[in-house]
Amino acid sequence: QQQVKQSPQSLIVQKGGISIINCAYENTAFDYFPWYQQFPGKGPALLIAIRPDVSEKKEGRFTISFNKSAKQFSLHIMDSQPGDSATYFCAAESGGSYIPTFGRGTSLIVHP
Amino acid sequence: KAGVTQTPRYLIKTRGQQVTLSCSPISGHRSVSWYQQTPGQGLQFLFEYFSETQRNKGNFPGRFSGRQFSNSRSEMNVSTLELGDSALYLCASSLGQHNEQFFGPGTRLTVL
Repeated sequence: QQQVKQSPQSLIVQKGGISIINCAYENTAFDYFPWYQQFPGKGPALLIAIRPDVSEKKEGRFTISFNKSAKQFSLHIMDSQPGDSATYFCAAESGGSYIPTFGRGTSLIVHP
Repeated sequence: KAGVTQTPRYLIKTRGQQVTLSCSPISGHRSVSWYQQTPGQGLQFLFEYFSETQRNKGNFPGRFSGRQFSNSRSEMNVSTLELGDSALYLCASSLGQHNEQFFGPGTRLTVL
């Protein structure tokens, strides 16, 4: 059972465009939602994270939007750059276990 | 400050063999987690160690085991390798359970 569903599987965006990746979860015990960025040959790196007490968090060009009632959250990358080309993973954790459940990942390609 | 290091980076084994992977966390980090990454299943949590004690364990068979040493370095072992064990094995370290995880580059295991 996939507890965190991520879409799309792949995304192609032009330089300067907006990249949007969506995730949906089922377990209402999740209370921490990080996003990771992974480049080829590297391990994932924490990009930005949100807790359900806020509906939006912005760090530079990256924004997480969170909809608790719909159990959905999304990553928006504004002014997408070729250097943003990577695989993005959403994840969810519950305070009780701190074991992350990951989405399947989105391969983002930003064309120059 | 050096990042998380994993050795070896690449490994080829045959079915039935066993393998040991090593992880050196960032200096001062006491928590080490292991993950399996495959195209089919994505990123899956294996187990987490803190101060030489396993605190959390994912849903993997007993063939997968690990340990942590007093210097926080960790090893994971997979016995009786199966073709399906071919994957990228990632190690992540953090100061503690509530802190950001920093991933290593992974060990690419191929089982023939």
